[in-house]
Amino acid sequence: DAKTTQPPSMDCAEGRAANLPCNHSTISGNEYVYWYRQIHSQGPQYIIHGLKNNETNEMASLIITEDRKSSTLILPHATLRDTAVYYCIVIYSGAGSYQLTFGKGTKLSVIP
Amino acid sequence: GAVVSQHPSWVICKSGTSVKIECRSLDFQATTMFWYRQFPKQSLMLMATSNEGSKATYEQGVEKDKFLINHASLTLSTLTVTSAHPEDSSFYICSAGTGLYGYTFGSGTRLTVV
Repeated sequence: DAKTTQPPSMDCAEGRAANLPCNHSTISGNEYVYWYRQIHSQGPQYIIHGLKNNETNEMASLIITEDRKSSTLILPHATLRDTAVYYCIVIYSGAGSYQLTFGKGTKLSVIP
Repeated sequence: GAVVSQHPSWVICKSGTSVKIECRSLDFQATTMFWYRQFPKQSLMLMATSNEGSKATYEQGVEKDKFLINHASLTLSTLTVTSAHPEDSSFYICSAGTGLYGYTFGSGTRLTVV
């Protein structure tokens, strides 16, 4: 599975957009980009995933560059409850079950 | 959406005793569940893959005789920490799902061995 690189921490003002980058330069053509987040002392929560097209759901938007070597998770209006560690995971998920390998992620702090 | 229930949320046990943690998929069937462990200020580490009706697959360095996994039905997997020691104190988390739209995680179990 392709490795990912994320900044260890970021701050974002409440109400502003939080843009979390992820580099995955060795991604393969059939690998998806998944984003999860973990609020302190809770289990991780699925946010969004994509292959090559930009994706949007009720939680966030995912922007994947044309060469697929990097992506950005966007929380359009960050709230204090969005303070968490965000994990970018690249994996092939087209053959049934697969294992998720968590890196260190980005610790996002939303500041009042 | 898919719901995974994990129980207990926290447990304190004496050194040398065993502790069982349950992971249930409430509204779907899960042939595969995963067990993770997370130490303070560290990321989640996959311990084992639990397969319904067969033996679990353990990650390198995880003692299968110490961390017993049973996946007897399509909605329940259990992790038993046998002869627990203080170094086993950690946050244990299970996950399950269809995979294609991401896995659902349990709320985790905080184990403290005293």
